[in-house]
Amino acid sequence: EAGVTQFPSHSVIEKGQTVTLRCDPISGHDNLYWYRRVMGKEIKFLLHFVKESKQDESGMPNNRFLAERTGGTYSTLKVQPAELEDSGVYFCASSQARGTEAFFGQGTRLTVV
Amino acid sequence: AQKVTQAQTEISVVEKEDVTLDCVYETRDTTYYLFWYKQPPSGELVFLIRRNSFDEQNEISGRYSWNFQKSTSSFNFTITASQVVDSAVYFCALSEPYSGAGSYQLTFGKGTKLSVIP
Repeated sequence: EAGVTQFPSHSVIEKGQTVTLRCDPISGHDNLYWYRRVMGKEIKFLLHFVKESKQDESGMPNNRFLAERTGGTYSTLKVQPAELEDSGVYFCASSQARGTEAFFGQGTRLTVV
Repeated sequence: AQKVTQAQTEISVVEKEDVTLDCVYETRDTTYYLFWYKQPPSGELVFLIRRNSFDEQNEISGRYSWNFQKSTSSFNFTITASQVVDSAVYFCALSEPYSGAGSYQLTFGKGTKLSVIP
């Protein structure tokens, strides 16, 4: 069974540019989560999808971040325009049911210069 | 609000030594879940264990064991006879069903970097 996959693994962009991160969850997992780890800090929750619906987006830092999950399969997280403080590792996770183990991808390391 | 504290930032041990990683949590809920994840150098977070708040039995899985004590709000992780492959960052996390719109989002500690020296 394929795990959670994230693309790209690394991205370096200039301040003001747009970047789109993609996450393919484990097949059949309705719950999809995005998390972010900024250098030296904890891994922080960004948002949660149940199928294609946003269940909780309380962790999204501001309106420069837009997440979608069309069709309830893969998800994208777009940052537009990117700022220096957006640099960090963005993790995606999926789970079969809420409260059960969440399986994480390898993360996308975003560097904004 | 929920919080997870991993006071040990980095630990180094010599191979075959036992090592305990500490995790202390704060929550106002009576129902919650605790997790440990391992992050090897490759970067992904690997699930190790999930424990619910009503089950205080200790768990053993091979060289890994977990000690859950509600009285001290701790969920410590012990690796027995450590090996070089155990070198990684280990994260403790807490999930509450009644916070964050019921998303069961994970609240993570800062992680403990374990280095096992051959």
